[in-house]
Amino acid sequence: DTEVTQTPKHLVMGMTNKKSLKCEQHMGHRAMYWYKQKAKKPPELMFVYSYEKLSINESVPSRFSPECPNSSLLNLHLHALQPEDSALYLCASSQGTRDTRVNTEAFFGQGTRLTVV
Amino acid sequence: AQKVTQAQTEISVVEKEDVTLDCVYETRDTTYYLFWYKQPPSGELVFLIRRNSFDEQNEISGRYSWNFQKSTSSFNFTITASQVVDSAVYFCALSGPSGGSNYKLTFGKGTLLTVNP
Repeated sequence: DTEVTQTPKHLVMGMTNKKSLKCEQHMGHRAMYWYKQKAKKPPELMFVYSYEKLSINESVPSRFSPECPNSSLLNLHLHALQPEDSALYLCASSQGTRDTRVNTEAFFGQGTRLTVV
Repeated sequence: AQKVTQAQTEISVVEKEDVTLDCVYETRDTTYYLFWYKQPPSGELVFLIRRNSFDEQNEISGRYSWNFQKSTSSFNFTITASQVVDSAVYFCALSGPSGGSNYKLTFGKGTLLTVNP
């Protein structure tokens, strides 16, 4: 099973709303990621969690707040977003390893299409 | 700094034609990994292949084949006898070894492949 599940699939929110995106994987992966993808662009890395700890924050505005409650779950809390934050938000996971000689592929979910109005 | 260039923005072919998607990369790492992902209109990024920098063997998987050449820093992808279901955006991506700041995937801009019946 190489499935990463994201909910919801679509989300429309106002600029004053608070919402959360959820991501779940049951592959035993220890690295989980949030990417943002604008139309006709490649995905851009936002956050990386490694062994449930935040290891990379790509200078993302604080209106995006990630959370990793356990090794299977990854959340992205949204607050006071702007219309330009409208995009496809992709979650991914990979095996993750402390051995710097090893890299494994990331598996992606179907994404949440977010529209900020 | 890492960089991936996919010079072909869009390719259109007729079903059963062979098509090659080009990927050229730049990195200073001696150990690195190359990937191809497929993104159909549904949005999910589908993992196709991972290749490490020490393995220059070409790979074939059904109608898909990959040609990795370190001498030209290229990792090209060929679809033989294309089918309508192959229509998607294809991303080439690059990462360094896992660990620390190297969980990042650097994506090319993608190639939109349209296979017409």
